[in-house]
This record gives sequence, structure tokens and C-alpha cells, in this order.
Amino acid sequence: DSGVTQTPKHLITATGQRVTLRCSPRSGDLSVYWYQQSLDQGLQFLIQYYNGEERAKGNILERFSAQQFPDLHSELNLSSLELGDSALYFCASSPLGANQPQHFGDGTRLSIL
Amino acid sequence: AQSVTQPDIHITVSEGASLELRCNYSYGATPYLFWYVQSPGQGLQLLLKYFSGDTLVQGIKGFEAEFKRSQSSFNLRKPSVHWSDAAEYFCAVGPSSNDYKLSFGAGTTVTVRA
Repeated sequence: DSGVTQTPKHLITATGQRVTLRCSPRSGDLSVYWYQQSLDQGLQFLIQYYNGEERAKGNILERFSAQQFPDLHSELNLSSLELGDSALYFCASSPLGANQPQHFGDGTRLSIL
Repeated sequence: AQSVTQPDIHITVSEGASLELRCNYSYGATPYLFWYVQSPGQGLQLLLKYFSGDTLVQGIKGFEAEFKRSQSSFNLRKPSVHWSDAAEYFCAVGPSSNDYKLSFGAGTTVTVRA
């Protein structure tokens, strides 16, 4: 158990819809990262938050957004969903610092029908 | 830009045999390197990490990895594989001081045969 909790584990929805994925980081970790794992793109970094503020951005689509709340949990919002958004979405957390490893949750599997 | 190459997409190994997974990285400075394992239906579990110092690092589950700067490699090894080691293995580089993302390789799937 990594200590990172992601909900829900599975989501099935239709094109054009909007979903919210939730992540609770390990106790004491201020930094949260979101990654997307798909068959064609592999594991791709989406976005990072530190203590409520956006810290770094990767290949995140404009239809996607995220935030980190005062209790440090984070949400990833995906809107106007397309078939290609079907993927496994991971959240990771770490203390801040380049030498701090990231610990991953079990992911949310998103299926777009 | 940082990047990672895992040349082997799939490796099959017999139970009890040794295993070596290759990882080559591209990075502008001293890299921070990681190996993660993903079992079916599971998240990514950290096996080991290299930041500095001793180039041979020990991890969990009997794995070790060796950092070779001259070859830009960070290969993962296990002397004797167990059936439970069947999984997908990812090498990752980063984060740097100003970019905290991890860049992952494409992964190597390990199949263990009895």
C-alpha cells in the first residue's frame, strides 16, 4: 500500500461527458502529480501541484484541469470526453524536492463508450 | 529534454533464472533514476532509486540496479526470478530541480515460465 488513494477505481462514461477523478496523497506529502497511461502514449506526465498551487505542466489537454485543495487532496477534471481519453489515470505524491521519489496510487481506469 | 529508452518490450525468463532489464537515459545533468513495477490491475510500485553515491543500488523484492554514467544506463537485475515477478517494469528519470515530472520508458513486460 503506497498510501496514495484514488477514487473511483473504474469509470465508464460516454463521449462528451465530464468526469472528476480524486486523489488523496500520502500523509505529509505536499506535492501531487497526475499521469495518464495509455497503450499508444505510455505513461505521460500531466500536471503537478504543490501545496495548492500549480507547479509544472506537461502534455495536458485544455479540456483537462486539476486543482489541489487546502486539505491537499487533488481532483482531475476531464471534460468533453473523447474516445481517445480512455486510459488509466494515476496520481502520485511526494514531499517537495528533486530527490524525493513519487509514490503512486492504484489509478482510475476511465473507459469512454 | 530528459528521456528514457527501454529496448526490450517483452522478456520471458524461467523461474529461478536471472533477469536483467535494460534502461538507457538521456539527461542534461546528473540524473535521478528510478525503477517501478506494475502488476496487472495494480498501480506503480517503487522498486529502487538512484540519486548519487554508490552506483549499485539495492531495492525491494531482491532487485538491484547499476548506474553507469559512461553508458547512460541504469539496468535492473535480479539473480533468481520468482513467478510473482511477472509484471511490467518501468524505468524513469527525473525530476530535476526545476521540473518535477518523471519521464518514463515504454516499459518491459516480464513473463515467468515454470
